[in-house]
Amino acid sequence: GAVVSQHPSWVICKSGTSVKIECRSLDFQATTMFWYRQFPKQSLMLMATSNEGSKATYEQGVEKDKFLINHASLTLSTLTVTSAHPEDSSFYICSAWRLAGAGSTDTQYFGPGTRLTVL
Amino acid sequence: GNSVTQMEGPVTLSEEAFLTINCTYTATGYPSLFWYVQYPGEGLQLLLKATKADDKGSNKGFEATYRKETTSFHLEKGSVQVSDSAVYFCALTPFGNEKLTFGTGTRLTIIP
Repeated sequence: GAVVSQHPSWVICKSGTSVKIECRSLDFQATTMFWYRQFPKQSLMLMATSNEGSKATYEQGVEKDKFLINHASLTLSTLTVTSAHPEDSSFYICSAWRLAGAGSTDTQYFGPGTRLTVL
Repeated sequence: GNSVTQMEGPVTLSEEAFLTINCTYTATGYPSLFWYVQYPGEGLQLLLKATKADDKGSNKGFEATYRKETTSFHLEKGSVQVSDSAVYFCALTPFGNEKLTFGTGTRLTIIP
């Protein structure tokens, strides 16, 4: 099946620094990618929809200046957590939307996630 | 708004036991319903889906039937294996929209 990678898989940073997380679709092109956040023992919460070549669409309550999203190519979207604070510590997961070809259906493929810990 | 409620875990079963993980949803119109599975260290994978009422999704021995009258999409498997140990997420997308709304996930552990 299709593969989506994330890098890094985990990161520890100091409060006030910025952290960039990459999401790549390895064997297909994705005009749309999604960024989710997951708290311990809680559901995945959609943060934003990343559209190649245009601005991301953020869900209500998500600070767009805090979580910068750039979808510069059809295989790469990045999420930058700016001026990170301990409350930003979480598990961040991306997904890429693969449009259906003949005989298949549109499907979202998920990356393995990135665990961010802000000290 | 849309929401998904699934049974809390963790769930621990012996190998070859029967599995049910309950999932109910709230949505307007006719959503599509999904079960995703996350194996240790891996990303979420689509396990099965159903796009309209009374549809049954099935894969790898797992089944779930879209019940509009009870707004449910319970996951079942007749005989679980150790390799089924994972976290299972129930999810929906509204009609005509690809945005997923997830349940909280249920951790399943199968012991030999």
